[in-house]
Amino acid sequence: EVQLVQSGAEVKKPGATVKISCQVSGYTFSDQYMYWVRQAPGKGFEWMGLVDPEDGEALYAEKFQGRVIITADTSTDTVYMELSSLRSADTAVYYCVTAVITFLDYWGQGTLVTVSS
Amino acid sequence: DIVMTQTPLSSPVTLGQPASISCRSSQSLVHSDGNTYLSWLQQRPGQPPRLLIYKISNRFSGVPDRFSGSGAGTDFTLKISRVEAEDVGVYYCMQTTRFYTFGQGTKLEIK
Repeated sequence: EVQLVQSGAEVKKPGATVKISCQVSGYTFSDQYMYWVRQAPGKGFEWMGLVDPEDGEALYAEKFQGRVIITADTSTDTVYMELSSLRSADTAVYYCVTAVITFLDYWGQGTLVTVSS
Repeated sequence: DIVMTQTPLSSPVTLGQPASISCRSSQSLVHSDGNTYLSWLQQRPGQPPRLLIYKISNRFSGVPDRFSGSGAGTDFTLKISRVEAEDVGVYYCMQTTRFYTFGQGTKLEIK
């Protein structure tokens, strides 16, 4: 069974950096891209970026370029998403997502990040 | 970016009756490999999204056959043949042909 287990909720101050983890199981981690998608309260979904765990190469959405870093650790089957220079608009639930059968098929449970002074 | 537009935004349905949600993309979703990467997600209250349908009409693992998808090019439809109580939630279309963008969601509720 494919499972994606994310780290717990975070509360950060404006200007800070948050780093969220997502540990996967049930398939070969290095075989599939890992994605990060966020959902702000009452808003839709935004794709932030992806990483190829096999070689660590990442691709970021233009909106998040320069503020996000996505990395993968094949020794622990874990992907990380680090978002810097946080502002209130970054308050959202962040999801890691994989692509075992097709794009964006299995989703983690989500991690709420609250940015507040 | 490809913009995905769903209608309606809200759909009150009677249990046992059919429901239909439309999704239109601002550009054709036909990929250079010949596939059309249009998917549908279901998000129940308080839950992460769950993939229902991929490549227009393929049901994902474990998805009941009352869910079906159709369409081509820029116009797509999700149909539920007979709505059950567990189908309450928000439904999103999603394109993964050119990067990844999502519709704004359609809330399915029981009358």
